[in-house]
Amino acid sequence: QKEVEQDPGPLSVPEGAIVSLNCTYSNSAFQYFMWYRQYSRKGPELLMYTYSSGNKEDGRFTAQVDKSSKYISLFIRDSQPSDSATYLCAVSQGAQKLVFGQGTRLTINP
Amino acid sequence: GAVVSQHPSWVICKSGTSVKIECRSLDFQATTMFWYRQFPKQSLMLMATSNEGSKATYEQGVEKDKFLINHASLTLSTLTVTSAHPEDSSFYICSARDGTLSSGNTIYFGEGSWLTVV
Repeated sequence: QKEVEQDPGPLSVPEGAIVSLNCTYSNSAFQYFMWYRQYSRKGPELLMYTYSSGNKEDGRFTAQVDKSSKYISLFIRDSQPSDSATYLCAVSQGAQKLVFGQGTRLTINP
Repeated sequence: GAVVSQHPSWVICKSGTSVKIECRSLDFQATTMFWYRQFPKQSLMLMATSNEGSKATYEQGVEKDKFLINHASLTLSTLTVTSAHPEDSSFYICSARDGTLSSGNTIYFGEGSWLTVV
């Protein structure tokens, strides 16, 4: 079993839709939860970072962590074509290395 | 947000030569830097963890004599691909950990370096 499971998609939605991206993880010791966005041929860009269970909002993005279920989500409201990218969830345990999901390829259709 | 600069963005080299890629944290001190390799349509594959002033820790299956990593200062780590071969052609990405308390150990990535060995 992988430490972090993420549906690779691809996921295609119309512009303006709400997008829901999800990951599950297996180790309850993970403490930090991140979402990165990666455009084609570019390095990943940090979108959201959370430490505890609950919601964190930043503009059109909301990150949700449920430690009891070992489940993390990223919601994108009012999706735009510029949101088309690969979204990577990542978890870590303290100061240790990141463990990534496979990444979900998202396309927002105008 | 914090900035990690990676150079060069792309490089073409001849088979058998060595190539050096630099990774710099521009506005924070990075006690730990990570080097990844990414193949098309795949997730990032961690190659090694680099700690300032000490030897890098390589992941299983990564040849330390082929991929030389140096982390001489708190803002600079380098990856040297020695005796490069076409199969080393890939997208190499570095990341740096901001170890300050306020950042919560956030990790930021560079823009990546495309290596093509011909």
